[in-house]
Order: sequence, then C-alpha cells, then structure tokens
Amino acid sequence: EAGVTQSPTHLIKTRGQQATLRCSPISGHTSVYWYQQALGLGLQFLLWYDEGEERNRGNFPPRFSGRQFPNYSSELNVNALELEDSALYLCASSLGSVGDTEAFFGQGTRLTVV
Amino acid sequence: AQKITQTQPGMFVQEKEAVTLDCTYDTSDPSYGLFWYKQPSSGEMIFLIYQGSYDQQNATEGRYSLNFQKARKSANLVISASQLGDSAMYFCAMRDSSYKLIFGSGTRLLVRP
Repeated sequence: EAGVTQSPTHLIKTRGQQATLRCSPISGHTSVYWYQQALGLGLQFLLWYDEGEERNRGNFPPRFSGRQFPNYSSELNVNALELEDSALYLCASSLGSVGDTEAFFGQGTRLTVV
Repeated sequence: AQKITQTQPGMFVQEKEAVTLDCTYDTSDPSYGLFWYKQPSSGEMIFLIYQGSYDQQNATEGRYSLNFQKARKSANLVISASQLGDSAMYFCAMRDSSYKLIFGSGTRLLVRP
C-alpha cells in the first residue's frame, strides 16, 4: 500500500512568487494536515482538511492557503513568498478526525525561497 | 489551549542502555491522544507509539514504551536497549477534540557506540 506522497520533493522560488505543494494521502484516509518545519525547529501546524473542508488553521497569514479535492488529495499554496518561508513542508494523513488514529507523514517538500 | 512541552533539546545515551524522553502536555479536554514520532536526518516523520487518554495501561511497541502519568500530564517515551539507528529527533504530539494535531519542539537523541 502506498504511503503519503508529496510533490515536488524540492522547490526553489524567488521572493514574491507563488508556490504550490501537493499531497496524496494514504488510500482511505480523509484527513490531511499540513505543517511547516523551519530548519532545526519543530513542526508548526498550518492547516487541517477533512472531508474536503478546511477544519482548522494555525497562526499563519492568509497568503498560506490550500484545498482538499474530492479524492482527498490536497494542495498547499503560498503566495507572495518571503525568504522566511524557506522550510520543510510536511503533509500527514489520517483515517479521520478521531483522536485515536495516528497520522502518517509524507517525505516532505523542501521549499527554498531566494 | 493545547500545549506540548519537551524540555530536553538534546540527549545522549550509550548504546544498549535505556533512555527516557520527557513530554508534558496541557489540555482541558478529557479525551485526547498522545503520539510520539521519530524524525531521522532524512526528514521523514515515523510514527512510534500512541496513548489514549482513557487507556488504563501504558502503551508499548517493541523497544518503545510510553510512561503515561495522567495526573501529572506527562507522556514520556522510554526507549530500551538503544541502538545507533535510534539517533534522531523525537517529537511528542497531541490531538484532542479540537482535532488539531500539535507537536512539541522535539528532542535530539544521540546514541553513542
């Protein structure tokens, strides 16, 4: 069974551009989480999607947005990129929003803003 | 509000010895789940172990066990018989009825041969 897949693995953009990151959850998983992990730091919660709807978002500006498609895959968009947006962006999926189901992570997309 | 605290930024352990990684949490929700993840230098997050707030017994998964002390709101990870491959970042995480999965700042474990 395929795990969580993220694309691209690496992305280089210039300041002011837009970046689009993609995530395909494990088959059957309806919840998708996005996290930002700056170099050497912990995971900062970005967004949570479940059943196609945005359920919760972290303390990030509106230029961080996303969506979840009918097949439960998800997209994270970052507009007007800033240098400090450079980070590893991790996507995780879980069976649902039940508290006792673990989330499985993809390998991440490393975004570099120059 | 939810909060996860890991107070040990870095830990050393000798190969084959046991090590405890600390985690405390805060939530007003009576129902929640606690998780531990391992992040090697390659970057992927690997799920290790889960403990539910209503579970009576401490969770165990192979060499990993979770020392759950509900009254103290702590969920420490114990790794027995450390191996060189255990060197990594370890993150404690929690999800309560808000369904937001939040993480602590992590502990970097280095296993010495």
